Parts: sequence; structure tokens; C-alpha cells
Amino acid sequence: GAGVSQTPSNKVTEKGKYVELRCDPISGHTALYWYRQSLGQGPEFLIYFQGTGAADDSGLPNDRFFAVRPEGSVSTLKIQRTERGDSAVYLCASSYSGGASGANVLTFGAGSRLTVL
Amino acid sequence: AQTVTQSQPEMSVQEAETVTLSCTYDTSESDYYLFWYKQPPSRQMILVIRQEAYKQQNATENRFSVNFQKAAKSFSLKISDSQLGDAAMYFCAYRSTLPHMRFGAGTRLTVKP
Repeated sequence: GAGVSQTPSNKVTEKGKYVELRCDPISGHTALYWYRQSLGQGPEFLIYFQGTGAADDSGLPNDRFFAVRPEGSVSTLKIQRTERGDSAVYLCASSYSGGASGANVLTFGAGSRLTVL
Repeated sequence: AQTVTQSQPEMSVQEAETVTLSCTYDTSESDYYLFWYKQPPSRQMILVIRQEAYKQQNATENRFSVNFQKAAKSFSLKISDSQLGDAAMYFCAYRSTLPHMRFGAGTRLTVKP
């Protein structure tokens, strides 16, 4: 697509429920990133995919968070047993490649706002 | 660990005037990239300008320019001829050999008509 698409735009769930957030990156972008942005804060890195594999998942806060990218395109961020502290905007970004080239520009989606009641 | 600090939570500027947003960072790397992103209420992060650390010349994009002071680890954004559409959150970001970016906490810019 022309841009990075994220669905749903907004998600309200109850504490303890399971949620999935989807990211459809720009066609041809091999690198995909998930960030979490809490209210009044800058985005915080969660996980980075190069192709189908998670090249760096050091930002995932705990084992309730998991992400997949089975075919190297669309990615799904999965959160189990949601807690109120998980409420945030989850941003997805993609770029042509990751790796050592810092010049690669990340293109972001509009994010999914998750509210856990 | 690399950190990015934006010391101005909020800034205000009169339409058509100039405003400067501050950013400092901490790193032991010699080769890295710095970015300013704009986030309007639509939430989508939009790249404003970027700077390669090995370049001494400050980057410029139309009304947006940076003052990059490598020794001081400072990377400020100057917006000239401010427009109402410039109102947004602005985030400074750092990236080196690791593929992901590290962001500051942001500065909320208000433009007064």
C-alpha cells in the first residue's frame, strides 16, 4: 500500500482479555518495527523484524507480549491477559531495510490506541 | 545506553515568527543519525528533517533547519515563518548501528494566530 496501515484504530478491552493489533507495512519494506507510546511520552521500542524473523525483541516488556510476521509482510502484535498499564498507542513503522544503515527512514502508521478498562 | 532529552515539554510561537526546539542526546558512538519527527493529533509520526553525524553542514528542509553541535551532543530544530499547521508534538530521535530509533519525550508546539 501507499502507507503503513494499522488496525484497529481504537480498541477498548477489559482487563484480562486477549488483543491483537495488526500492521500492514509499505510494500517492499523488509524491516518492520513496533513501538508503544504512553500518554505524554515518546515512542518506546518493542520489537523489530527483518523479513519474517524477529531480529530484536529486547523491548517487549514481558512474556504477555508477542509479535509475528509469518510471511514477511503483515505483522500482528499480540497481548495476553491485558492489564490497565498496557493502555497506550501502539505504533508500527516500516523501512526498506534495517541493519547498520542508520539512514533508513522509518515510515509510521497512525497507531492503534488500546484502552484496557 | 543512548538517551535523548527534550527539556521543553511545551513551546509557543506566534504565527510567522521563528521558534527553536531543543534536543540533547548521550552516546559513545561516533557514527549515528538524528531525526525530528512531527506528530499531529492524527497520531501519525511524520519525518521533518534528518542529520547524519558525519556531516558538518546543518540539514535544511524549507522552513525547517537544524543546529547540530556534535561535540555538545545537541540537535535543535528551528522553524521559521511558523504556520498554524506546524502545531503538533515534535520528537527528537537518535539512531546508530541498532536498527530501531530512540525518541525523546517530545515538545508540544502551539502556534498562536
